[in-house]
Amino acid sequence: GENVEQHPSTLSVQEGDSAVIKCTYSDSASNYFPWYKQELGKGPQLIIDIRSNVGEKKDQRIAVTLNKTAKHFSLHITETQPEDSAVYFCAAMRGKLIFGQGTELSVKP
Amino acid sequence: GAGVSQSPSNKVTEKGKDVELRCDPISGHTALYWYRQSLGQGLEFLIYFQGNSAPDKSGLPSDRFSAERTGGSVSTLTIQRTQQEDSAVYLCASSLGQVGETQYFGPGTRLLVL
Repeated sequence: GENVEQHPSTLSVQEGDSAVIKCTYSDSASNYFPWYKQELGKGPQLIIDIRSNVGEKKDQRIAVTLNKTAKHFSLHITETQPEDSAVYFCAAMRGKLIFGQGTELSVKP
Repeated sequence: GAGVSQSPSNKVTEKGKDVELRCDPISGHTALYWYRQSLGQGLEFLIYFQGNSAPDKSGLPSDRFSAERTGGSVSTLTIQRTQQEDSAVYLCASSLGQVGETQYFGPGTRLLVL
């Protein structure tokens, strides 16, 4: 079955800096890769997703890149703000979503 | 209109008791998922309902866990004879049902088994 590895587990950046979170997946048939943001005490919220026929997608300060050959995808947050502080999860789908272990991002003002 | 709702938001129970957790998906969403999130961990898939098809129960950790979805809408996750290791946040999500459609999550039920 699918296995998703996510790194780093924690990430601390200064406000205004960029943050990058990386994930690898094992099943080459996976075709959908969402990223979720989870704030304390809340359910995960989708922030961006990418499908296997696309290499990059941007939405304002957030971008995701996908390398199908290497089976890895990354989340890039530019100009980070304190409100970006949360736990971020990547996931890969082949029939069902398999999640990475999460990255706790802390943006220091 | 509203998003996915779950109840109760918090549940404290004694070891050995049964608990029922409820999920109301977004209206019109045919797919419904249950996940478990242990403290500081990722989301563990439990069960998936799609329309009238037989559910995918491949993630249920033991036969003490079961789930129903009545009328293609509301779902109940039941844990029988709860154990301390069942303590976690139980999250429900729904989607329109096509493969790769966005899953929208509820706020979760925080279960504590004493």
